Amino acid sequence: DADVTQTPRNRITKTGKRIMLECSQTKGHDRMYWYRQDPGLGLRLIYYSFDVKDINKGEISDGYSVSRQAQAKFSLSLESAIPNQTALYFCATSDFDGAGQYFGPGTRLTVT
Amino acid sequence: SQQGEEDPQALSIQEGENATMNCSYKTSINNLQWYRQNSGRGLVHLILIRSNEREKHSGRLRVTLDTSKKSSSLLITASRAADTASYFCATDLSGSARQLTFGSGTQLTVLP
Repeated sequence: DADVTQTPRNRITKTGKRIMLECSQTKGHDRMYWYRQDPGLGLRLIYYSFDVKDINKGEISDGYSVSRQAQAKFSLSLESAIPNQTALYFCATSDFDGAGQYFGPGTRLTVT
Repeated sequence: SQQGEEDPQALSIQEGENATMNCSYKTSINNLQWYRQNSGRGLVHLILIRSNEREKHSGRLRVTLDTSKKSSSLLITASRAADTASYFCATDLSGSARQLTFGSGTQLTVLP
């Protein structure tokens, strides 16, 4: 089984809808991250969490919120989706010293 | 904003040849990491080089780091068609609480 899983893998939604992307990991890592990737660009950090009680904004947090339900689960929500949030979303984990991140397979989100 | 910038943006070589990709960054780093991304998939961690290291090897991969020039290079020797992917450098900035900042990537195509 994959160490980092994301659901759903693909989602098409309409402008204004609320949507949640979920991430689960079995690596036992404390640190979890949400990134988005736009075509031809690298990954940009949305939110990150260093433990269950720690949530931090990344470079592009506006329009997003997160919830760390447990050490193994980190969810990303779009409260009111807009078309420019169409992107590929990745969850990642790392161990305490942050050396190397493990990525999920990604969620392709399309907002029409 | 992108901390790391890869060069070239795209590279096409024949199987068996070596591939060299470069990454430049702007501020002091704790370490620099290279990742591979196959089309539409999650990123895979390849290698990490710390700021006090100058060269590191892993299988067919060789990474160099020049902190005075704020640059790194990734060399893939004896390339294979399976090496076709996008390659990203990511910098772990000093004092950034272990966030990674990704470059925009080099698309490598290895022709059989």
